[in-house]
Amino acid sequence: GAGVSQSPRYKVAKRGQDVALRCDPISGHVSLFWYQQALGQGPEFLTYFQNEAQLDKSGLPSDRFFAERPEGSVSTLKIQRTQQEDSAVYLCASSLNRVTNEKLFFGSGTQLSVL
Amino acid sequence: GNSVTQMEGPVTLSEEAFLTINCTYTATGYPSLFWYVQYPGEGLQLLLKATKADDKGSNKGFEATYRKETTSFHLEKGSVQVSDSAVYFCVIFGNEKLTFGTGTRLTIIP
Repeated sequence: GAGVSQSPRYKVAKRGQDVALRCDPISGHVSLFWYQQALGQGPEFLTYFQNEAQLDKSGLPSDRFFAERPEGSVSTLKIQRTQQEDSAVYLCASSLNRVTNEKLFFGSGTQLSVL
Repeated sequence: GNSVTQMEGPVTLSEEAFLTINCTYTATGYPSLFWYVQYPGEGLQLLLKATKADDKGSNKGFEATYRKETTSFHLEKGSVQVSDSAVYFCVIFGNEKLTFGTGTRLTIIP
């Protein structure tokens, strides 16, 4: 596609529910990142893929967060047993390859609200 | 690890005013520095970048100079427009990832 696509755009979950957020990167982009942006804050790094390999997951806040990219294109961020503090905008970004990781193309994000 | 501290907002200016948004960084080595912008209803996008000391990044009338001696990368524009209203993020690149500041919301009034 023309840009990074994320779905759903909005997600409301009850505390304790599991959610899955989808990211379609730009076609051919090898690198894929997930960021979490709390209200009024800057994006915080969660995890990074190079093709299907998850090279860095140091930003995942707990073992309730899990990300995958099994075929090296679409990625899913899963949050189990959601808590209120998980409410945020989740941003996906991609870049052409490792050399261009400083220039990321961002999606519009999924706004997650946990009630 | 790397970090950036940027001027807190919100900032409200009249059209054609001069803009400065301050940013300082902490880093090991010589990282690349960026300003990203988020326009209302749109995704984050790269505004400008500088890769080494004394480099000046520029785009759409905005400029920022990489100052190693003061560890700063302040964003400036000589004459802002209503269309510049957005959230601006100072960003540093290291360990293969971008680290963002907290963002500064800029509103330009006609």
